[in-house]
Amino acid sequence: SAVISQKPSRDICQRGTSLTIQCQVDSQVTMMFWYRQQPGQSLTLIATANQGSEATYESGFVIDKFPISRPNLTFSTLTVSNMSPEDSSIYLCSVNGLAGGGGDTQYFGPGTRLTVL
Amino acid sequence: QKEVEQDPGPLSVPEGAIVSLNCTYSNSAFQYFMWYRQYSRKGPELLMYTYSSGNKEDGRFTAQVDKSSKYISLFIRDSQPSDSATYLCGTGTASKLTFGTGTRLQVTL
Repeated sequence: SAVISQKPSRDICQRGTSLTIQCQVDSQVTMMFWYRQQPGQSLTLIATANQGSEATYESGFVIDKFPISRPNLTFSTLTVSNMSPEDSSIYLCSVNGLAGGGGDTQYFGPGTRLTVL
Repeated sequence: QKEVEQDPGPLSVPEGAIVSLNCTYSNSAFQYFMWYRQYSRKGPELLMYTYSSGNKEDGRFTAQVDKSSKYISLFIRDSQPSDSATYLCGTGTASKLTFGTGTRLQVTL
C-alpha cells in the first residue's frame, strides 16, 4: 500500500474565498484522483489528476471551480474556488498504479474536512 | 437508477455475529470490485479487492462477487466492536471506480 497525506486536515473558510488542498504520496503512482464525500452520500469523483497535462473532469465539475495540478508522480493539489456553503464536504485524494506493484487497487488519503460559512 | 446501490443501514448486530453487506451494480463492463472500511472522520481503508466472480477470503472477511446477477457481498465472521464503521463497496474499471453510499455497521457488546 501507499502512505498518503493531505493538508490541511480540516479548515473553516469564508464564502467567496479559495482553498488549496495538497496530496502527497510516499511513492510514485500512475493515477491520482480527487473525490468529494458529502454527508449520507457516496464518494463522488471530481477529476483524475494527470501528470504533465490537464486534469480530466467528471460531469458536473469544471476546471474554473476545481483547478487541479499534478507537477510530478507523487504530488497533486485541488483548489476549491469562490467557495459557497454548498462546497462544505470532505475532499479525498486517492491513488492507484503504485510503482513496483499494487496493480489497480485504489488507496485513499485521510481527507480534508472543509466547512464554508 | 444509480450505478451502484447499497443499503445505507444502519445495521446493528451483537458481537460474534456474522455480518452480510451487499451491493448491486448495473454496468456489466465493471471488472474491479472493492470493499472499503471507513471509520468516523477518517479516509476509506481498502479491505478487500477482487477482479473475478467467486469468493475471496482474508481472515474474518470474505468478498463474494456474482457477475451474472451483478451482486457483490462482504461477509464478516465473528464480528467485533472494532468492526463498527461504514463499509463502502466500489466497482468499475481501472481508471474509474463508482461507489455505493456505504452501510453503517454497529457491533454491540
